[in-house]
Amino acid sequence: GAVVSQHPSRVICKSGTSVKIECRSLDFQATTMFWYRQFPKQSLMLMATSNEGSKATYEQGVEKDKFLINHASLTLSTLTVTSAHPEDSSFYICSARVPSDNIGPPYNEQFFGPGTRLTVL
Amino acid sequence: KQEVTQIPAALSVPEGENLVLNCSFTDSAIYNLQWFRQDPGKGLTSLLLIQSSQREQTSGRLNASLDKSSGRSTLYIAASQPGDSATYLCAVSKMGGATNKLIFGTGTLLAVQP
Repeated sequence: GAVVSQHPSRVICKSGTSVKIECRSLDFQATTMFWYRQFPKQSLMLMATSNEGSKATYEQGVEKDKFLINHASLTLSTLTVTSAHPEDSSFYICSARVPSDNIGPPYNEQFFGPGTRLTVL
Repeated sequence: KQEVTQIPAALSVPEGENLVLNCSFTDSAIYNLQWFRQDPGKGLTSLLLIQSSQREQTSGRLNASLDKSSGRSTLYIAASQPGDSATYLCAVSKMGGATNKLIFGTGTLLAVQP
């Protein structure tokens, strides 16, 4: 159980275009999902917390107008990189938190998707 | 501000050796600590989660300990295998609040030589 998928796994786009990345919890409902960014040889940096049915909470320094997050259902959150530029090239990873009333892993354990490699030319 | 550091940054060992990875954090007010494994170009696989009230967790050849007061955790890998080669990340979850954000360490790149 507790499987998280991401789509696409890899995307290459031209500068100025927008890219949408999907994050899905496959076998559980996630009221909270998280979006991270990882640059080469660096650790994961939290970008934003996505809550179902409400606005996302962004970390300091992350532009909310550039990284649009939508959490329209309990199993899907999307991250849209608007007007992407080469400096946005990175590995984007989402995670989903198992709710406290589920049987299985401990409350607040996060399960991670396989990541999306974004390359902006 | 919570800072998480992992030592060493890279480690190379021969197959069969036991090894210890270290993780330290500056703010002891944590909710839990997780150890993850990341293969190149891949997402994260959760290895062990230790709640703040626990001192250790074990899974197979892996044992993670937590000393909250000193801000330290260790991941012990017994009888290492080439398949254990990966980057190991520790992350702490902040106490309080509903979102339980994870703060990640800098990672240890492990290479197990056959």
